[in-house]
Amino acid sequence: EAQVTQNPRYLITVTGKKLTVTCSQNMNHEYMSWYRQDPGLGLRQIYYSMNVEVTDKGDVPEGYKVSRKEKRNFPLILESPSPNQTSLYFCASGYTGVGGELFFGEGSRLTVL
Amino acid sequence: GQQVMQIPQYQHVQEGEDFTTYCNSSTTLSNIQWYKQRPGGHPVFLIQLVKSGEVKKQKRLTFQFGEAKKNSSLHITATQTTDVGTYFCAGHRNDYKLSFGAGTTVTVRA
Repeated sequence: EAQVTQNPRYLITVTGKKLTVTCSQNMNHEYMSWYRQDPGLGLRQIYYSMNVEVTDKGDVPEGYKVSRKEKRNFPLILESPSPNQTSLYFCASGYTGVGGELFFGEGSRLTVL
Repeated sequence: GQQVMQIPQYQHVQEGEDFTTYCNSSTTLSNIQWYKQRPGGHPVFLIQLVKSGEVKKQKRLTFQFGEAKKNSSLHITATQTTDVGTYFCAGHRNDYKLSFGAGTTVTVRA
């Protein structure tokens, strides 16, 4: 089954404790991206990757890191989480980064205390 | 700030009525996409528009892309309870970044 898988789905952590949210897709997509969703703000792009070893900042990259060492995986790293990073995070993938359907994961709800 | 503006933020509709949600960008978009997110779910792709003035239909949903490629609309006729959710537009800018609108959350009165 074609899918984008995120883990963990739910996480409560404390300020400053490094965490990683994993994202994996099985559709051989070149493009992957991370978004955060906050009430009234819609989906804001954090980072995106056009292909392996190619990543770029989205609109809200501060406090986040990513890597794309393999085509299927695109982990989101919070080196030192802060309460303002409490949000619902979505990973998405697509065949290209210049158009076409994006496939979203189920979402990861993160709470930073 | 928000690159793509979407209105209204909320739409309360009587079952059977029509409604429209609008999307506006300050810059020209190479394409625009629409997604639907059911409560508690993830965004699901509905359609993509690429050409200036393009109009596409999916059953009761009609999507338009403006002549200047800066605005778009989604019109739903004869609203049903299955239309409940949040509808997002998303535009590709020329720098390949995809900007989402804040969404229109639709509730339906039976």
